[in-house]
Amino acid sequence: KQEVTQIPAALSVPEGENLVLNCSFTDSAIYNLQWFRQDPGKGLTSLLLIQSSQREQTSGRLNASLDKSSGRSTLYIAASQPGDSATYLCAVILTGGGNKLTFGTGTQLKVEL
Amino acid sequence: GAVVSQHPSRVICKSGTSVKIECRSLDFQATTMFWYRQFPKQSLMLMATSNEGSKATYEQGVEKDKFLINHASLTLSTLTVTSAHPEDSSFYICSARSKLAGGPAVQYFGAGTRLSVL
Repeated sequence: KQEVTQIPAALSVPEGENLVLNCSFTDSAIYNLQWFRQDPGKGLTSLLLIQSSQREQTSGRLNASLDKSSGRSTLYIAASQPGDSATYLCAVILTGGGNKLTFGTGTQLKVEL
Repeated sequence: GAVVSQHPSRVICKSGTSVKIECRSLDFQATTMFWYRQFPKQSLMLMATSNEGSKATYEQGVEKDKFLINHASLTLSTLTVTSAHPEDSSFYICSARSKLAGGPAVQYFGAGTRLSVL
């Protein structure tokens, strides 16, 4: 059974700092991995999607990497802003998994002024 | 980008009543829709997968008679929580997978429904 873990569970940083969120998964036979953002009481916004054949994806201040062999992904946020405060979730789809997303436990980020 | 509309955003009901939640893909056809449940400070747990025109596939431990799912068209899926009880209080989120051929399989999420059963 695929298990997805995110470390740290919570993170508080001052504005402007660069930061890294970690995601690890136990089954490396993944189809793709996605990073999502969830604001309190809201749905999910997709940030980045990395196919299994890719090593990284970039969008603006966000960069996500994928290392299938070690079962890890990182989300790098450059020059953090208070508006980045949210919960960040990673999720994987297993190869042959019928498009079912398995979500990580989430990292709650707070960027302080 | 693709938009998924979920309604209502919040519902408060008495114990024993049934509640219907709608999930619509507004600008694309969704062959598959997913229903998730999220408890406070926890991650999303998949409840069921529904394909248009066929019965939903429920995850282990999810009561199919309690959580009725209907996916009657390529743009609409509904989740009905029957005879709701306080323990059913949770945040329910739907997602829809685009039908577009080629490219990565991407799920687009609704804004969620906060259900509170008194």
